[in-house]
Amino acid sequence: DIQLTQSPSFLSASVGDRVTITCRASQGISSYLAWYQQKPGKAPKLLIYAASTLQSGVPSRFSGSGSGTEFTLTISSLQPEDFATYYCQQLNSYPRTFGPGTKVDIK
Amino acid sequence: EVQLVESGGVVVQPGGSLRLSCAASGFTFDDYTMHWVRQAPGKGLEWVSLISWDGGSTYYADSVKGRFTISRDNSKNSLYLQMNSLRTEDTALYYCAKEVELLAGMDVWGQGTTVTVSS
Repeated sequence: DIQLTQSPSFLSASVGDRVTITCRASQGISSYLAWYQQKPGKAPKLLIYAASTLQSGVPSRFSGSGSGTEFTLTISSLQPEDFATYYCQQLNSYPRTFGPGTKVDIK
Repeated sequence: EVQLVESGGVVVQPGGSLRLSCAASGFTFDDYTMHWVRQAPGKGLEWVSLISWDGGSTYYADSVKGRFTISRDNSKNSLYLQMNSLRTEDTALYYCAKEVELLAGMDVWGQGTTVTVSS
C-alpha cells in the first residue's frame, strides 16, 4: 500500500499569510493526488485534483503542485474561512489512501 | 441540486451486520464511480471502498476486505455498503462520495451516517 505523510501536522498562521502544506508518498504516484479541506462537523471539500487542477468554484488563492512523490498545497493569502484541516489523497493505486491531515489554526 | 444522502447508521454489537444506503440525486448516477469513506471520532479520513459506474469493479481497504461489500442499483440511483462481522474499530461517520472524473478525487459528499459498534 502507498503511505502518505503530511507536514506539518499542525500549522498556526495569521490572515494574509502564505501557507504551504507538503504531502509525500511512499512511492511514485505520478500526478494522481487530490487535496481536500474539512471544517469541523462538515464533509470534506475537494480543492485540487490531478495534483494541480483547481476544482470548479474553489478560490484561486489555492494552488497545488508536484508529481512523483512530493506534492504541495499552497494558500497564497490565508482567509478566515480557510482555517480547517487539509488532507491529501492518492489515486494512483488501491487502497486510495489519505494522508493524516494538517490542521491550520489561527495564530 | 446535486446531492448524496446516507442512511442506515445505528448502534450495533460487535460481530453484527448493517447495511448503509446512499441516495443520489441531481446528476446522472450511472455515469460515475462511487466511494465510501469513513472518519472515526476525532480522527482523519479513511478510504473504505469504491465501485465502478456499472458495478463491475469493486475495491476495498485492507481493514474491511472480506467483511464489507459495496454495491449499487443504478435503477434506484442508490449506493450501498453491506457491513458484516463488525468490530469496535469500525465505529465512524460513514460518507458516500462521487468521483469527479476517473482518478480525480471526490467532488460530491453526503452528510454522513454514524455507525457505532459497541456492546
